[in-house]
Amino acid sequence: ETGVTQSPTHLIKTRGQQVTLRCSSQSGHNTVSWYQQALGQGPQFIFQYYREEENGRGNFPPRFSGLQFPNYSSELNVNALELDDSALYLCASSLEYNEQFFGPGTRLTVL
Amino acid sequence: GDSVTQMEGPVTLSEEAFLTINCTYTATGYPSLFWYVQYPGEGLQLLLKATKADDKGSNKGFEATYRKETTSFHLEKGSVQVSDSAVYFCALESSNDYKLSFGAGTTVTVRA
Repeated sequence: ETGVTQSPTHLIKTRGQQVTLRCSSQSGHNTVSWYQQALGQGPQFIFQYYREEENGRGNFPPRFSGLQFPNYSSELNVNALELDDSALYLCASSLEYNEQFFGPGTRLTVL
Repeated sequence: GDSVTQMEGPVTLSEEAFLTINCTYTATGYPSLFWYVQYPGEGLQLLLKATKADDKGSNKGFEATYRKETTSFHLEKGSVQVSDSAVYFCALESSNDYKLSFGAGTTVTVRA
């Protein structure tokens, strides 16, 4: 059974650019949640996708958007990057609303 | 809204010492409570959980009891090892929308 995978591992962007982060769910999972973990802080919920529909959103501006595909993989898109967007972005998958399994994360640095 | 407050670190202990990390929460309804662990350079791993009042979660020698009367879920381990060095996060899952809310994390370092 393959766990949750994320790509890329690390990414460096400049202010104003756009970025796309990718997540492959664990086999059999249909729900994906994204979290932002700033340095020295706990993860903050961005949004959740269930069967390709957004199913809840945290306190993040609209420039944070996402997609879930028919195979339940997911993308997180961030437009107009700001310095404060520098963080570890974590993806977690689950079957329905059961235990969430986390990927290793993508470390985004905005210069 | 839902929130979690956990003991600030860092915490430094000697091997075989007793570890406690305090965690309290604010939530509506009946949340589930979790402790996650993050080892250096890795993602989050579920350490233990409890889904209702008075439940005790346990794993790898760690324990935590869901105390509704004190809205707490303190993590304990009787004898820590160097391999327990990590960042520990307390979290709750809302019964309304199933999203996880995390504390700020506590860095634990165990010295040989």
